[in-house]
Amino acid sequence: SQTIHQWPATLVQPVGSPLSLECTVEGTSNPNLYWYRQAAGRGLQLLFYSVGIGQISSEVPQNLSASRPQDRQFILSSKKLLLSDSGFYLCAWSDPLFSGANVLTFGAGSRLTVL
Amino acid sequence: GEDVEQSLFLSVREGDSSVINCTYTDSSSTYLYWYKQEPGAGLQLLTYIFSNMDMKQDQRLTVLLNKKDKHLSLRIADTQTGDSAIYFCAESEKTGGSYIPTFGRGTSLIVHP
Repeated sequence: SQTIHQWPATLVQPVGSPLSLECTVEGTSNPNLYWYRQAAGRGLQLLFYSVGIGQISSEVPQNLSASRPQDRQFILSSKKLLLSDSGFYLCAWSDPLFSGANVLTFGAGSRLTVL
Repeated sequence: GEDVEQSLFLSVREGDSSVINCTYTDSSSTYLYWYKQEPGAGLQLLTYIFSNMDMKQDQRLTVLLNKKDKHLSLRIADTQTGDSAIYFCAESEKTGGSYIPTFGRGTSLIVHP
């Protein structure tokens, strides 16, 4: 069966510090991968998605970046965090070979607080 | 404006039915989804409906789709305290060749005894 792991679960970082959140998927090959951010009262905002190694699409301009160094690994990074980067970050995957609904399976999330 | 709109809160008594409503803007959406998020956790898919359907039922869950009005609803029968969570409506939009779900802000369902 497929599983998705995110870490760290909780992170408190000072303004201006770097960030690295990691997500890995097991039990599947060539998944579509996604990073969403959930800020208070603002729902889920798609940040990045990837359909393959090295292929990253960005949905919103920001000081965050994403990388996919391996097929089932997706990393969210920042060189210098802003206060507005605080939020709950969710990684998800979907099966690109499924011809029906694009169902996302989410990780447990990483809560980032920038002070 | 928002692509997917939902009311933010709903409070019901245990045993009653809950109805969570959602409106969306993309008339070309092929699938519409309901996800559930429990406190401090990720989202879990509850159900989805194909755009050529009017209704889908799955145990205590009933999804109604009015494509003309771009209105989607989720009815939970015999609501239990364990149903307390945030419920997200989502539509899938074609972005760069893939159908990427766009989520609403979520409706917090509070079930009280």
